[in-house]
Amino acid sequence: GENVGLHLPTLSVQEGDNSIINCAYSNSASDYFIWYKQESGKGPQFIIDIRSNMDKRQGQRVTVLLNKTVKHLSLQIAATQPGDSAVYFCAENMWDDKIIFGKGTRLHILP
Amino acid sequence: KAGVTQTPRYLIKTRGQQVTLSCSPISGHRSVSWYQQTPGQGLQFLFEYFSETQRNKGNFPGRFSGRQFSNSRSEMNVSTLELGDSALYLCASSLRPGQGIRETQYFGPGTRLLVL
Repeated sequence: GENVGLHLPTLSVQEGDNSIINCAYSNSASDYFIWYKQESGKGPQFIIDIRSNMDKRQGQRVTVLLNKTVKHLSLQIAATQPGDSAVYFCAENMWDDKIIFGKGTRLHILP
Repeated sequence: KAGVTQTPRYLIKTRGQQVTLSCSPISGHRSVSWYQQTPGQGLQFLFEYFSETQRNKGNFPGRFSGRQFSNSRSEMNVSTLELGDSALYLCASSLRPGQGIRETQYFGPGTRLLVL
């Protein structure tokens, strides 16, 4: 079936450490993936994207890794800061433009 | 440049009623997409409009409908409300049609609908 997102509701990380948020997808036909950040009371905010012909993409303090063999997507946040506290979720875009979103992971930063 | 705005921000309705939500995209953006977000189902795509035409549609019943005006503003309507329609309804705009989500979308803060 179609299912995006490992059910890991909350991830707690010490401030300054690196965070790794995971996402699994089941559809090998998906060719484009996005990570979003959603802060309380706000809509989702684009963080970084990656196309299926890539396995890694880096942004400012963030890196997305795509492993098509095991259908796994991860978001790495370097030197996690209090402002990184939010819900993060992935989304996949299938070849027919159908969009599937993961359920999300809440990132909690410990002082 | 002002972001995506949605009105109202909060709404309470009763079962059987209908509701209309409004979205004003970022100036110059011509594509508007609507999403439903619930704790149980997460974020789900409703539909996308571009140039007043629906270009893409998710798996929602016909009670969910939308439209787009010539100024790119969009409305979505839910008729015969059910308890399960309680959700955060998000609108996102982009310059061009999304081809799914390949075009960067900018989300509004959402309208929180509670159906009693």
